[in-house]
Amino acid sequence: GAGVSQSPSNKVTEKGKDVELRCDPISGHTALYWYRQSLGQGLEFLIYFQGNSAPDKSGLPSDRFSAERTGGSVSTLTIQRTQQEDSAVYLCASSLVGRPSGAADTQYFGPGTRLTVL
Amino acid sequence: QKEVEQNSGPLSVPEGAIASLNCTYSDRVSQSFFWYRQYSGKSPELIMSIYSNGDKEDGRFTAQLNKASQYVSLLIRDSQPSDSATYLCAVWGTGGGSQGNLIFGKGTKLSVKP
Repeated sequence: GAGVSQSPSNKVTEKGKDVELRCDPISGHTALYWYRQSLGQGLEFLIYFQGNSAPDKSGLPSDRFSAERTGGSVSTLTIQRTQQEDSAVYLCASSLVGRPSGAADTQYFGPGTRLTVL
Repeated sequence: QKEVEQNSGPLSVPEGAIASLNCTYSDRVSQSFFWYRQYSGKSPELIMSIYSNGDKEDGRFTAQLNKASQYVSLLIRDSQPSDSATYLCAVWGTGGGSQGNLIFGKGTKLSVKP
């Protein structure tokens, strides 16, 4: 079956503009994660969705970042008033069950969106 | 803040040698550990998970876990040029704001020379 897909693959924007990044998880996966990977840094957790539960937004770096997941499937990460420090690769991952399974639930990553803020 | 530490490398080994990748973590209560491989410009993919002290083997890969020393390693036997990638160590967080999250190290870049 299809894996996790993300769009766009690359996004170049000007400082101050808003951007939307899309993630389409594996069909049937109830858990969805967003991460950010900056140059030379590890993956940084941003937000977690689990079914219809309220998302865990504890990793969002500022109130300029928000995300939603419609119908328990596709997710959109929105960054408002982008700054140069937002430049990074934004990775989405999905897993079958998520946190209720404990750590045994494998996360499958999408190809990422490379965001460049000029 | 829970941390996962890895030597950034690059670690260079000749083809056919054993590559040894190391990782330490700060959360003494952690129970679940993962190794991901990330090729340049690609997304991470899970290659090994380990939950119990000792060794776990899967083909040419062996994960080793020592919870007392808070240390997890990955050995790659008979290294191939196709193993050249960045290897990310990840630990399942157990609390302090990290509960239920994977905490990743910055990765070790491995280069296998033909």
